[in-house]
Order: sequence, then C-alpha cells, then structure tokens
Amino acid sequence: QKEVEQNSGPLSVPEGAIASLNCTYSDRGSQSFFWYRQYSGKSPELIMSIYSNGDKEDGRFTAQLNKASQYVSLLIRDSQPSDSATYLCAVRSNAGNMLTFGGGTRLMVKP
Amino acid sequence: DVKVTQSSRYLVKRTGEKVFLECVQDMDHENMFWYRQDPGLGLRLIYFSYDVKMKEKGDIPEGYSVSREKKERFSLILESASTNQTSMYLCASSLSRASNQPQHFGDGTRLSIL
Repeated sequence: QKEVEQNSGPLSVPEGAIASLNCTYSDRGSQSFFWYRQYSGKSPELIMSIYSNGDKEDGRFTAQLNKASQYVSLLIRDSQPSDSATYLCAVRSNAGNMLTFGGGTRLMVKP
Repeated sequence: DVKVTQSSRYLVKRTGEKVFLECVQDMDHENMFWYRQDPGLGLRLIYFSYDVKMKEKGDIPEGYSVSREKKERFSLILESASTNQTSMYLCASSLSRASNQPQHFGDGTRLSIL
C-alpha cells in the first residue's frame, strides 16, 4: 500500500512568518511530487511541482525534496492570512499515472 | 490555462435515482480522473481513464461506473444512489501518461443524496 503522510494540523503561524509543511511517502519508486492548495469548499489548486532532489523556488513558495529520506516539504515565506488553507501533498510513482494524496495539513495564518 | 468544467456545483438527488456527473476539459488531455473527498478520509480515486472508451478502477469503484465516449468528456454514473454517496466529487485531468504531468481539478460537485 503506497502511503503519503501529512500532519493534519492545524499549523498556526503569525502573519509574516515562515510556514513549513511536511510530507513523507512510502514508495521509493516515486518520481513526481506536487503540492496543492485547497480553500474550504473549493477544489485543489496546483501550486508547486518538484521532480529532483533539492529546492525549487517560486515566489514565496519553496518546495524541498529529499528522495533518500523520502520526504518533501513546502515552505511559505512571509505568510499571509490569504495563505490559510489545507495543503495537499501528492506523489506519483514511476509505475503508474495515478497520484497518491496525503490527508492534507490545515494552515492558519493569524494577522 | 487548463480548464476542467464540472456540470453542477451543487446537486440534490434521491435514494435509488441514477445520477450523472459530467466533466469536460478543453486542453486535449489524455487522462481523466474522478475522486470523491470526505472529511477525515481525504481524496479517494473512484475511476480513471487513459483514452477514449478506456476505463480503470480506482480505490473505491463500487456503486459507480464511468463513460468516456469523447476525449474531452468523462462522466461518472451512480447507478442507484445511496445516502453514503453524499460527498464532494472532483474531476481532474492530466496531459499524458508521462510521469511529470500534474493533475488539474475542476471546481467540484457537492452531491447530496436524500
């Protein structure tokens, strides 16, 4: 059973701080990793993808991947109240085209 | 931008009815997916399709069927709706079977079975 684990939270951070969201996965054959943001009552929205070990930056977002340790993380710099949402980690193995989703981490950014 | 359109945002049906949920994508994507999302259970894959007239079972296919007669359209069918199928249903699509392609989601259909 391929698993993707996230702390459900809520993770509470003050406005302007760095929010750090973590995700671990069990399938060593995993090749592609995605972070989705989901506002309450809305559908998931892709915000980051990462395929190679190391960091990938896009604006205030940085995705970090460590395949040896089987974890992927998302850092949000200068957190804003509008970042308050549930963040879903999704992992695709090389063997198939399906994504396995984590349960999501609820982030709350307090003004 | 990828556009995945689900036919209804909210839908109320009765137990035993046959229910159709429609999904259309406008980016010539090969792959389409149907998920349901429930509190505490996360996203669960119901069915997916790699090509026209092809379908594959996901993790929870029982009580559902799908149809893909055209590349851009993927329909989810509840053969005889039951109250435990009350949920948020999400359609997604991705470009191809290449492993680095993300899935893009529609706005979702919140289905209530009374």
